[in-house]
Amino acid sequence: DQQVKQNSPSLSVQEGRISILNCDYTNSMFDYFLWYKKYPAEGPTFLISISSIKDKNEDGRFTVFLNKSAKHLSLHIVPSQPGDSAVYFCSLVRSQGNLIFGKGTKLSVKP
Amino acid sequence: DAGITQSPRYKITETGRQVTLMCHQTWSHSYMFWYRQDLGHGLRLIYYSAAADITDKGEVPDGYVVSRSKTENFPLTLESATRSQTSVYFCASSAGYEAFFGQGTRLTVV
Repeated sequence: DQQVKQNSPSLSVQEGRISILNCDYTNSMFDYFLWYKKYPAEGPTFLISISSIKDKNEDGRFTVFLNKSAKHLSLHIVPSQPGDSAVYFCSLVRSQGNLIFGKGTKLSVKP
Repeated sequence: DAGITQSPRYKITETGRQVTLMCHQTWSHSYMFWYRQDLGHGLRLIYYSAAADITDKGEVPDGYVVSRSKTENFPLTLESATRSQTSVYFCASSAGYEAFFGQGTRLTVV
């Protein structure tokens, strides 16, 4: 049974607009929630995280929101840029060493 | 260079052959992981290791073997490669909740 779901395989957004990527999870016993970004032919790289005790974390154009009651995580990118085009994975961490990833959402930002 | 490196970057092998993918990290992170990335499946955990000589199965361990005699190395071996093991393999290390990934090994089994 999939514990982490990214229900949108792809998302297309116009440059300058907001990109919203979503992630749903089934188990409440997670300590941290992370987003990774992956370009073709490269490994995923860490983008932004949020602790389970918070509901928002902001870093420049990137903001992650956590709704624990809905078991929902989202990443907002404002404004979106063509260089943001990549695959985004949400990752849930229950404890050190216990990392679970979603299937990823491919974001395309069009000029 | 500091970081995590995988070798080879690309590998083509025949069905039934044994193949070993190498992973080396210079941070002395205690945790190391092997993932495979397939279309429609995202990143799936094959094996992970909490420390030298401690390994455990992940979501898709069948057909794979790992070892970790030294903290910095975590090789992944396909004992008898099958076409279904054609994939991109990523190694990662972690000292906390953030994982650091290698650039990946694209393995094709023909």
